[in-house]
Amino acid sequence: GQSLEQPSEVTAVEGAIVQINCTYQTSGFYGLSWYQQHDGGAPTFLSYNGLDGLEETGRFSSFLSRSDSYGYLLLQELQMKDSASYFCAVLSGGGADGLTFGKGTHLIIQP
Amino acid sequence: EAGVVQSPRYKIIEKKQPVAFWCNPISGHNTLYWYRQNLGQGPELLIRYENEEAVDDSQLPKDRFSAERLKGVDSTLKIQPAELGDSAVYLCASSPLRGPEQYFGPGTRLTVT
Repeated sequence: GQSLEQPSEVTAVEGAIVQINCTYQTSGFYGLSWYQQHDGGAPTFLSYNGLDGLEETGRFSSFLSRSDSYGYLLLQELQMKDSASYFCAVLSGGGADGLTFGKGTHLIIQP
Repeated sequence: EAGVVQSPRYKIIEKKQPVAFWCNPISGHNTLYWYRQNLGQGPELLIRYENEEAVDDSQLPKDRFSAERLKGVDSTLKIQPAELGDSAVYLCASSPLRGPEQYFGPGTRLTVT
């Protein structure tokens, strides 16, 4: 089976930096993705880590450590529009399988 | 470029009734996914198609759920009969190839009463 753990809720202040952690247990791990979902909206792709290390895309960065079965999403210069749920998702089966999502982290941005 | 289209957006039915959801993926995307998302949870994969072939339906409750993807483009997910526990958002996603970047539609919010 596969399992992912991430905090259910994180609160941060506008303009600050926040890190959302994700640990996973899975067979056939291939890579870790991150998705953002606003209330009532569709999940949208943010980033993917297939190798260890940091991937940066604008204000968002994602990190993966395969040896620790751990990754995180880093959001910088937080804006009110970043208030959303963030899901880590494991890609397995050599990349051939569908994604297995965590339960999501609800990020609350305070002014 | 148009995104993934789903209809209807909302559906309310009584238990034991049938219901169907339709999905039109992004043009050229060979891989299509159906997910179910319960409130406060992440999406859960139900079935994955590559072109018209269902290559992973291990999580699809086959006693009441069925799906098809005719001609490898549009897809339909059906529930018959619906149960109270089927209330959820049903999401369709597509990707040009299998992989981590999937494009999701807005979903169909199903309420079974």
